[in-house]
This record gives sequence, C-alpha cells and structure tokens, in this order.
Amino acid sequence: NAGVTQTPKFQVLKTGQSMTLQCAQDMNHNSMYWYRQDPGMGLRLIYYSASEGTTDKGEVPNGYNVSRLNKREFSLRLESAAPSQTSVYFCASSERGVRTGRLHSNQPQHFGDGTRLSIL
Amino acid sequence: DAKTTQPPSMDCAEGRAANLPCNHSTISGNEYVYWYRQIHSQGPQYIIHGLKNNETNEMASLIITEDRKSSTLILPHATLRDTAVYYCIVRVAPGVADKLIFGTGTRLQVFP
Repeated sequence: NAGVTQTPKFQVLKTGQSMTLQCAQDMNHNSMYWYRQDPGMGLRLIYYSASEGTTDKGEVPNGYNVSRLNKREFSLRLESAAPSQTSVYFCASSERGVRTGRLHSNQPQHFGDGTRLSIL
Repeated sequence: DAKTTQPPSMDCAEGRAANLPCNHSTISGNEYVYWYRQIHSQGPQYIIHGLKNNETNEMASLIITEDRKSSTLILPHATLRDTAVYYCIVRVAPGVADKLIFGTGTRLQVFP
C-alpha cells in the first residue's frame, strides 16, 4: 500500500525559481492537505482541498498556490521561491468523518514522508 | 480551535507506561481531543481521539478529565520505537475537511 506519495523527496532551489511539489494518494480520500514544518516547530497548514474541485487557504498560504488536479492528486506550487520557504513540506489526505453512535468515526489524516526543500 | 499546552519533553523507561499530559482549558463542547505523533522526520501518525469518555485502541489509551480541560495519553508499555514527538490537538468533529492545528508537542524519549 503506497498511501500518500510525495515527489520529490529533496530539492534545492535558488531564490526566484519556481517549483511544483507533487502529492498523490491511493486511498480514494476526498480531502487533501499541504503543511510545512520548520525546525523545532509543529506543522502549519498551507492549503487544503475538502473535495475534488475545491481549495481553501490554511494558516500560512502566502507565496503558494495549489491545484487539485483530480481526486488523487494535489500539487503545491511556489511561483517565486524565497529563503523563508525553506522547510519540510508534508501532504496528507483524509476521508470525511461519519458519526456512529457517540463518537465520530476514526478518519485520521494520513501523511506522506515529506519533501525537504532548501532555497538559497 | 482551542489551544493546547504540553510539556516540551519527557523521559520514560522501556517497558513502563508513558503518560503524556495535555491541558486544553478553553476547549468547547463540540471539540474533540486528537493525538498524533511524529517519529524522527517522518510524517505525523494518528494515534487516538476522543470527545469526553476514555478511549482505548491498539496503540494507546486516552483519558479525558470530567471537565474536559485536560487529558492524558497513555502508552501502556513503551518501547524504543515510541520515541517521538507527540502532539495533542483539539478541534471540532471531523467534517468536510479536518484542519489540524499542531503545537510544538512533547518530545518523548524512551530509554533502555
């Protein structure tokens, strides 16, 4: 089971270059997410897509664009990379929660292994 | 979403129970408590979640106080592979999209 696959795993860019990070999931999930993680910090949500055809901003969307290409794929684009965007980027996916009895069903987010991006 | 407070680090001997506390004093009635962990530099991994009753699964137990202002994640028999950063997150019930807000978490070190 591949789960969530991110490409590339590592990338070095120069300031001003553009780059698209790819993410694909094979779990037929409706929702997909992009996070960034800076050293010593938790993850911060950049953008998310609740379902195919929709995207919304998260906590830190500035400097990024996203495309939900189809149900499987959700890409993150840096149009003009800046050193402040040096980070580890994680993609995740999840299914919608469904209430069964007293508790919503377990619909956790499944994460990829990350893309380590350095911008010089 | 409510803010959470966790100790920055904890140690635990292998084979012993690891009890990780989390304060969420501003939690509202429709917010759930979630726990994720991140091993080394991998993507976070879901552990467990609950609303107001204690929950248990194959990985851990979650104890939520009666006033819901704090909770404890229990790893009953910690192993070296449980060394990780553990995140306590509170948010509304999962719906169309599940926007998680991660804090800095607790770094658990399990030692032999």
